[in-house]
Amino acid sequence: QSVLTQPPSASGTPGQSVTISCSGSSSNIGSNTVNWYRQLPGTAPKLLFYTNNQRPSGVPDRFSGSKSGTSASLAISGLQSEDEADYYCATWDDSLNGWVFGGGTKLTVL
Amino acid sequence: QLQLQESGPGLVKPSETLSLTCTVSGGSIGTPNFYWGWIRQPPGKGLEWVGSIYYTGTAYYNPSLKSRVTIALDTSNNQFSLRLNSVTAADTAAYYCARQRDVTAAGYWGQGILVTVSS
Repeated sequence: QSVLTQPPSASGTPGQSVTISCSGSSSNIGSNTVNWYRQLPGTAPKLLFYTNNQRPSGVPDRFSGSKSGTSASLAISGLQSEDEADYYCATWDDSLNGWVFGGGTKLTVL
Repeated sequence: QLQLQESGPGLVKPSETLSLTCTVSGGSIGTPNFYWGWIRQPPGKGLEWVGSIYYTGTAYYNPSLKSRVTIALDTSNNQFSLRLNSVTAADTAAYYCARQRDVTAAGYWGQGILVTVSS
């Protein structure tokens, strides 16, 4: 059972938009910044966003991150087949005193 | 370009100690304000933070693993290490090393190493 709750799956067709949610609590998302990671099959995770909505160089602006209260969201517009991956949210939890991840969302491009 | 590479045994017996090393190239582990961390992923499951160490040598551990984990810096070899004691089958996972710009934002990752705990 992950501290941060994500839907296990999401899907869309090429060109569509999709949003992945990440729900937490006051001790994690509510009081700390959120990061997002993308993991392609068989590879290491890659940082997609840090500090809620800051995009590392090389991440397309089709991707956007946001946070409100104790929830965060990752939005992808103009879906492409190469966006098929697992997406994880992450943040620090003040109660657990540790870095926590969501359970991950598997995005399928139909 | 910063690169990280995990190394160590791929098979560890139950109750023994898992030891991994992360070799860093293209940058120094002594660079101020960065953390160096270990994250693991059991087969088919999600990510779990194991622990991180600040460039000063201060370490932070997952509370659920804290009694069994040690992370250390080796500045002379530009490496950092992970030791996990008293392993069980539940510790079977791909172990990744990473550089973190802050305590939860890991911008550079190694390719990962699968460690299986089995007799």
